[in-house]
Amino acid sequence: ELKVEQNPLFLSMQEGKNYTIYCNYSTTSDRLYWYRQDPGKSLESLFVLLSNGAVKQEGRLMASLDTKARLSTLHITAAVHDLSATYFCAVDLQENTDKLIFGTGTRLQVFP
Amino acid sequence: NAGVMQNPRHLVRRRGQEARLRCSPMKGHSHVYWYRQLPEEGLKFMVYLQKENIIDESGMPKERFSAEFPKEGPSILRIQQVVRGDSAAYFCASSPFRNRGNTGELFFGEGSRLTVL
Repeated sequence: ELKVEQNPLFLSMQEGKNYTIYCNYSTTSDRLYWYRQDPGKSLESLFVLLSNGAVKQEGRLMASLDTKARLSTLHITAAVHDLSATYFCAVDLQENTDKLIFGTGTRLQVFP
Repeated sequence: NAGVMQNPRHLVRRRGQEARLRCSPMKGHSHVYWYRQLPEEGLKFMVYLQKENIIDESGMPKERFSAEFPKEGPSILRIQQVVRGDSAAYFCASSPFRNRGNTGELFFGEGSRLTVL
């Protein structure tokens, strides 16, 4: 069974600081997704990573994928309060691309 | 250009009642996925449907839960005889392609939040 684990589960960080969220998964997959969820809201697609070594950046967020290590990272640079949300990674099962398997989520809180 | 539309956004039911959640996919999308999110948890896959077909229901509980996506109209997730443990947010997502196309991206609705008293 594919397991997708994120750490940390909770992250409280000061504005202006940098931090990295990690997403590990337990089986072979070539596609990984990062989503953002605000409280009571839907999921917003942030990044789609489709191959080993893929790196994408949008504003203060940068995501990367290492399929050999089965690891993706979401790096936050100079955090601001607006980044406070829950971040999920999700992985395709390589042999069954019908569904995404979601990680446990990382709740990020950025304070002044 | 409407996104994925779900209704109701909030639903309260007493134990033993039925809950019906509706999902209209994005225009041009014929593939619908339902996910459940329990409080403080990630999303768990429930079922994947195409028009008039259930493709993968491996995440659906065997009893009380059913889903359909008729030729006309929205997809419906039906929960019979609800119990407190059914309280969750139910998200629908859609895609225009089988296996979600080249990027595999899913587009999510706002969710339906079910509370069972």
